[in-house]
Amino acid sequence: QKEVEQNSGPLSVPEGAIASLNCTYSDRVSQSFFWYRQYSGKSPELIMSIYSNGDKEDGRFTAQLNKASQYVSLLIRDSQPSDSATYLCAVNRREYGNKLVFGAGTILRVKS
Amino acid sequence: EAGVAQSPRYKIIEKRQSVAFWCNPISGHATLYWYQQILGQGPKLLIQFQNNGVVDDSQLPKDRFSAERLKGVDSTLKIQPAKLEDSAVYLCASSLDQYSGNTIYFGEGSWLTVV
Repeated sequence: QKEVEQNSGPLSVPEGAIASLNCTYSDRVSQSFFWYRQYSGKSPELIMSIYSNGDKEDGRFTAQLNKASQYVSLLIRDSQPSDSATYLCAVNRREYGNKLVFGAGTILRVKS
Repeated sequence: EAGVAQSPRYKIIEKRQSVAFWCNPISGHATLYWYQQILGQGPKLLIQFQNNGVVDDSQLPKDRFSAERLKGVDSTLKIQPAKLEDSAVYLCASSLDQYSGNTIYFGEGSWLTVV
C-alpha cells in the first residue's frame, strides 16, 4: 500500500464548477498535510496546509481533513482554466523531521 | 526574497556518464532537500540535510548517487554512472529548519535525460 494515494485523473470540470480532489494516507501518525500545485514543466507550489480535523478555507480553496478516516481533500470553487495543473497531496510525519511524502498527483483540467 | 536556485536547468547525458546538479537554498534556511520526480509520479525524497549534516538518505541509491553540503549552504547532487532510469527532474527544496514543520519551498528543478 502506498503511503499517500491519489486518483491520477484527469479530473475534468467546467469553468465555474467546484473541483474536488481527494487523497488518502496510510500512516496514522501523519500530523500535517499539504496540497501543492504543479504546472507542467514547473516546480511544486504550496497552496494549502492543514493540521487539524475539519475545514480550512483560503480564498477559492478549501482543505478538508479527517484523521479518523485518514482522508484529506481539496475543493476548488469557481474553477478557472488557470487552475489546470497537477495537484500533489503530501503528508508530514513530524517525528521524522520536516519530511514530506508525496502522492503521485491528480491532473485537473478546467474547460472553458 | 530570492527563491531556491538550481543549475543546470536541463542536461542530456549518455548512460554511464556522470552529472552534477547544484542548489542554493533560500537564505537562512537550514534544511535542504533533494527530491527526484519521475514523469507521472510525485516527488520522492533522496536526501535531507540539516545544515551540513545528513538527516535522511535512506532512499538515496548510494552506489551511484552522492550529495554534499559542505558549508551548510550550497549543495551538490552527483550521479555516477547514470542509468536510463535516472531520467527525471531533480528538485532541490529548502525550509527554515527540520523541526518546526515550516513550509518547504522548491526550486525550478534540474531536468535530466539519460540516453
